[in-house]
Formats: sequence, structure tokens, C-alpha cells
Amino acid sequence: DGGITQSPKYLFRKEGQNVTLSCEQNLNHDAMYWYRQDPGQGLRLIYYSQIVNDFQKGDIAEGYSVSREKKESFPLTVTSAQKNPTAFYLCASSGDRGWHEKLFFGSGTQLSVL
Amino acid sequence: AQKITQTQPGMFVQEKEAVTLDCTYDTSDPSYGLFWYKQPSSGEMIFLIYQGSYDQQNATEGRYSLNFQKARKSANLVISASQLGDSAMYFCAMREKITGGGNKLTFGTGTQLKVEL
Repeated sequence: DGGITQSPKYLFRKEGQNVTLSCEQNLNHDAMYWYRQDPGQGLRLIYYSQIVNDFQKGDIAEGYSVSREKKESFPLTVTSAQKNPTAFYLCASSGDRGWHEKLFFGSGTQLSVL
Repeated sequence: AQKITQTQPGMFVQEKEAVTLDCTYDTSDPSYGLFWYKQPSSGEMIFLIYQGSYDQQNATEGRYSLNFQKARKSANLVISASQLGDSAMYFCAMREKITGGGNKLTFGTGTQLKVEL
């Protein structure tokens, strides 16, 4: 079945540690996105990529980094510079560039600080 | 800058009744799209319905309909005949064009819906 796979489902980070969240899609979509969700808040855009080897900062990129070496993969690294990383992270992708373009989401990764 | 406002943090509805979830937006772009997503406790985001700014008719998808009032900049979601499985968080979102194509969605803070027997 086509879809977006995020792993792991739960992740714990120690102080000063970098951690990487995985996102893989087999929908053949060009664009991929990372969102952060905090309790009581909506989703906020961290980074997005419209094509392989290219990506742009979203609204809250500080303390995060990404790469897009393959069309199907868009990993997110939460660096030690991100002082409040505890949140639910959602990866998404989109293909069709028409007005009805919707985002398909993965099932998310819950990141917590030890 | 775009902004999406959902003023109802939580809503209760009786099973089989209809419920309206409010959403207002603010944009200076004449071309935009509005989306509603459902997020169950599992965390996954499920697409429900879409309305384009140039669409003449309100969008409908099964039990979901969108009450689009362009002049008032509102895009309320109506769920008819509520079911227990409709209990979830609901997000309104607006599409923002990105240079070169593609989609950036800006989300509201969500409404937690609880369907009761």
C-alpha cells in the first residue's frame, strides 16, 4: 500500500544529543514537509522540500536540520540547539500541484527529553 | 501573513445530531484553498474536505460539508449525523502558494470534538 512511514513512533533524547526522525514515502510525491505539533496548538512548519537536493526553512527551523538526497526520503535531525524539542512530529508529502493539492501525513513521532 | 482562527477549543454533540465547527481565516491572496483534517487519538492526520477560493458551490464529502462564506472569510465544517467515531481533534488549514509550486498549509489550533450517546 502507498503511504508515508515515520519511525520511530517514540523517541527519547538526552541533553546535548542529536536525534534523527525518519520519513519515507512511496507515493512518488515531489514535495515533502515536516511539522511540529505541541499540545493545544496547531501544526507548525519546520522545513519543506519541493524537489530532491533542495529544501527551505519553514516557520520554526531553528535547531533543526534536514536532507533530501532521495525522492522518497526526508529525514529530520533535531539538534542540541533545539532547547525545547518535546513535541509530536509529523511528516507529510504532496504530489499534484493543482488547487486541490492536499497533504498526506505519516502517523507521527513523539519525541521526549530524558 | 495568513492566519487561521478556530475559536472553539472543545465541542460536545449527541450521537446522530449535526455539529458545526468554526473556522475563520485572513489572507490578502485572492487565490487560496481551505482544508479540514481530522486527527484521532492515534495522531494521524486524515484529510476530510477541500474548498477552493474560486469554487462557486460549497464542498461536500459524504457526511461532511463546508459552509464557505467568502465575504466573511469563514469556512465552517458541518458534520451531519454524528457518530461515536467522529470524536477527534479537527483542524482547519489554508493553502499558501510556494514559489515553484507546491503546498504550504497553515493550521488553526484545532477543535476537540466529543460525540456522546
